[in-house]
Amino acid sequence: AQKITQTQPGMFVQEKEAVTLDCTYDTSDQSYGLFWYKQPSSGEMIFLIYQGSYDEQNATEGRYSLNFQKARKSANLVISASQLGDSAMYFCAMRQKTSYDKVIFGPGTSLSVIP
Amino acid sequence: DSGVTQTPKHLITATGQRVTLRCSPRSGDLSVYWYQQSLDQGLQFLIHYYNGEERAKGNILERFSAQQFPDLHSELNLSSLELGDSALYFCASSFGLAGGVDKNIQYFGAGTRLSVL
Repeated sequence: AQKITQTQPGMFVQEKEAVTLDCTYDTSDQSYGLFWYKQPSSGEMIFLIYQGSYDEQNATEGRYSLNFQKARKSANLVISASQLGDSAMYFCAMRQKTSYDKVIFGPGTSLSVIP
Repeated sequence: DSGVTQTPKHLITATGQRVTLRCSPRSGDLSVYWYQQSLDQGLQFLIHYYNGEERAKGNILERFSAQQFPDLHSELNLSSLELGDSALYFCASSFGLAGGVDKNIQYFGAGTRLSVL
């Protein structure tokens, strides 16, 4: 069964430093998509970055990059030059080809940026 | 701002009651998804509509139902409410259908926080 694991319930990072949020996934599909979303304390879910299973290069979006290691089934989010506004919950998510549009989410990691 | 509008932002009601949550997708998006976020269950997929038709069901209770109207807005109806239904309910939209590697990003609304007392 498909499953997303985020082993870090909470993380701290110094402002301006880089931080890596871990995500591992379990799927038997060869075709799948991986997503990261941010949820600040205000509650909305904000899309950050996407990686397709056939993409040969790691995805990047501004200060966000995805360290995709397909053989290890990991899709870690790297945030460079952390800002105070990065303090939020971060969710890793996956969509498999066989489950079409159904996206499953991991339990999330709470990131706190320290000034 | 994602472009997905959910109303109301907050809803307080009593057990046994029925409520309706509304969602307007981003302009041009044909797919609408509903999710429930609770402390014990995390973020759970409930149901997906595409251009007015139900496409997929997740962990949606029989007391819950949804529909997507011709103007593409969607409503999630929750009936016979229980204390455990208290949660944040999200609507998301995307342009079309997707499987696997198709990007088809789901953009989320700000959510409706439901409190059942």
